[in-house]
Amino acid sequence: KQEVTQIPAALSVPEGENLVLNCSFTDSAIYNLQWFRQDPGKGLTSLLLIQSSQREQTSGRLNASLDKSSGRSTLYIAASQPGDSATYLCAVLIQGAQKLVFGQGTRLTINP
Amino acid sequence: DGGITQSPKYLFRKEGQNVTLSCEQNLNHDAMYWYRQDPGQGLRLIYYSQIVNDFQKGDIAEGYSVSREKKESFPLTVTSAQKNPTAFYLCASSDVWSTDTQYFGPGTRLTVL
Repeated sequence: KQEVTQIPAALSVPEGENLVLNCSFTDSAIYNLQWFRQDPGKGLTSLLLIQSSQREQTSGRLNASLDKSSGRSTLYIAASQPGDSATYLCAVLIQGAQKLVFGQGTRLTINP
Repeated sequence: DGGITQSPKYLFRKEGQNVTLSCEQNLNHDAMYWYRQDPGQGLRLIYYSQIVNDFQKGDIAEGYSVSREKKESFPLTVTSAQKNPTAFYLCASSDVWSTDTQYFGPGTRLTVL
């Protein structure tokens, strides 16, 4: 059974710092891995999607990497801003079932 | 303006009542999903449907029921058999044969009084 783990569960950093969020998964049979952002009481917004054949994706200050063989992904946020404060969730789309399996999320706080 | 709508935003239920959460999409997606989120947790799949008049149980289907009579609608009923229904419920949709992202609605917060 696929399991997705995110470390740390919460992170607080001063504005302007670069930071890394981690995601690990137990089964490499995935179609893709996605990073989502969730603001309090809101739905999910897709940030980056990495297909299984890709190694990384970039969007603005965000960069996500995927190492399928080791079952790891990282989300790198450059020059963090208070507006980046949110919960970040990673999820893998498992082969054969078209189902997303989510990690528990990392709650990020950027302090002005 | 394409997207997914969920209603109501907040819902209160008394013990022993069934309640139905609405989910509508105008993205022309074949696949729709219901997830449950508890505080500090990721999302867990309740039910999903890949085509009209067909749906499958997810990981935590007990105490829930769904229907898929129209492509754009996928309502979720939380029955009295669900022992701990207080949670945040999210609906999503996607192209069924695509590895593209799932698109999420704004969610419904259900509280049992």
